[in-house]
Amino acid sequence: KQEVTQIPAALSVPEGENLVLNCSFTDSAIYNLQWFRQDPGKGLTSLLLIQSSQREQTSGRLNASLDKSSGRSTLYIAASQPGDSATYLCAFYFTSGTYKYIFGTGTRLKVLA
Amino acid sequence: NAGVTQTPKFQVLKTGQSMTLQCAQDMNHEYMSWYRQDPGMGLRLIHYSVGAGITDQGEVPNGYNVSRSTTEDFPLRLLSAAPSQTSVYFCASSPLKVGGPPYEQYFGPGTRLTVT
Repeated sequence: KQEVTQIPAALSVPEGENLVLNCSFTDSAIYNLQWFRQDPGKGLTSLLLIQSSQREQTSGRLNASLDKSSGRSTLYIAASQPGDSATYLCAFYFTSGTYKYIFGTGTRLKVLA
Repeated sequence: NAGVTQTPKFQVLKTGQSMTLQCAQDMNHEYMSWYRQDPGMGLRLIHYSVGAGITDQGEVPNGYNVSRSTTEDFPLRLLSAAPSQTSVYFCASSPLKVGGPPYEQYFGPGTRLTVT
């Protein structure tokens, strides 16, 4: 069964800290991986998309990487700010699935001013 | 572009009532999907569609129906609402690669449904 795990479930850091959010998966046959941000009571906003042939993508202070051999993706946030406080979710589209994305349960991040 | 729109934003139903959650996108995306989000369980796929006239079941389809008569619209019908269907519902759309999987997903703002 394809499973996606995000640890920790919650994280609290002081402003300015660089941080890494982790996403683990059990099936390395991936088409693509997407990282999302979700603010309380809101929908999901796409942050980064990595296709299976890519190793990483960058957008501003965000960098996402994909390591299929270790079954892990990481989202790196540089110089965190209080406005980064949100829940971050990863979603995988596996080649052996049938048009389905599998989501992790998310990491709730709080950046303290 | 409005992107993905959902109506209503909030809804309260009594057990046994039926209703339709609306979803529309103006990006000409082939792939559309419905998820429900429950605390501690992440997003779970209910139904999806890869084009007009084509729908299929996701992980948790029981109690829900969908149809796709146009590229733009993908309504979700609750046939006989139950308290277990209290959740936040999200619609998403993606372009489809030729002969391949969905590309980047775009989400609507969600519908918060309570069934009493």
